[in-house]
Amino acid sequence: DVKVTQSSRYLVKRTGEKVFLECVQDMDHENMFWYRQDPGLGLRLIYFSYDVKMKEKGDIPEGYSVSREKKERFSLILESASTNQTSMYLCASSSTSGGYSYEQYFGPGTRLTVT
Amino acid sequence: QKEVEQNSGPLSVPEGAIASLNCTYSDRVSQSFFWYRQYSGKSPELIMSIYSNGDKEDGRFTAQLNKASQYVSLLIRDSQPSDSATYLCAVNTGRGSTLGRLYFGRGTQLTVWP
Repeated sequence: DVKVTQSSRYLVKRTGEKVFLECVQDMDHENMFWYRQDPGLGLRLIYFSYDVKMKEKGDIPEGYSVSREKKERFSLILESASTNQTSMYLCASSSTSGGYSYEQYFGPGTRLTVT
Repeated sequence: QKEVEQNSGPLSVPEGAIASLNCTYSDRVSQSFFWYRQYSGKSPELIMSIYSNGDKEDGRFTAQLNKASQYVSLLIRDSQPSDSATYLCAVNTGRGSTLGRLYFGRGTQLTVWP
C-alpha cells in the first residue's frame, strides 16, 4: 500500500512565523503535490514536483515555496504566515508509469491555524 | 482553463438505493479519470479509476465513462450510511507540462439515510 505521511495533523502558528510542512512518501513516486482545501473552494493546487529539485507552480503559489531535495520528501514553506493561510493542507504523490496512470494518493492532511 | 464540474448537492438517498454522482470535464484530450471519497475532516481516498469508455465495476461501485460526451459518473449500489461523504471527481490530461497533474471538481456531498 502507498503510504504518504505528513509531519503534523494540527499546527498553530502566529502571524509572520516561517512554517514548514513536511511530506514523505514510501512508494518511490516521481510526482508530489501540495494542495490546500477550504470550504466551498475545493482542492487548490499550490505547487508540484516531477523530480528531485524540480518544482512547478500550481494555481495559488503566492506566499508559498517548496523544496524537494530527496525523491521521497516534499516540503511546503510558508515564508511569513498570514491568517488567510489558515487551511487544511494536503500532500499527494503519484507515479509516472507511462500509459494511463497518475493515481494520486493523499496524506492525512495538516490543519494549520494562523493566529 | 481545464474545468471539472460536479453537482455540489447535497444528494440524499435512502439506505439500499442507488446513488448516482455525475461529473463533466472541458478538456477533450483528458485520458484518466478518478473518483475520490472524502469523509468529513479526512483526506481524499481513491476509490475508482477509469481510462476507457464504458463501465468499470468494483463491488458496489460502478464508474461510467463517455469521452464523446465528456462525462464520467459514479454509481453506488445498495447505498449504506457509511457511504455518506463528499465524492470528488478528478481528471488527468496526460500531456505536456501538466503531465501527472489532476484537475478536481469541487465535490458532491452524499448523505445516505437509514
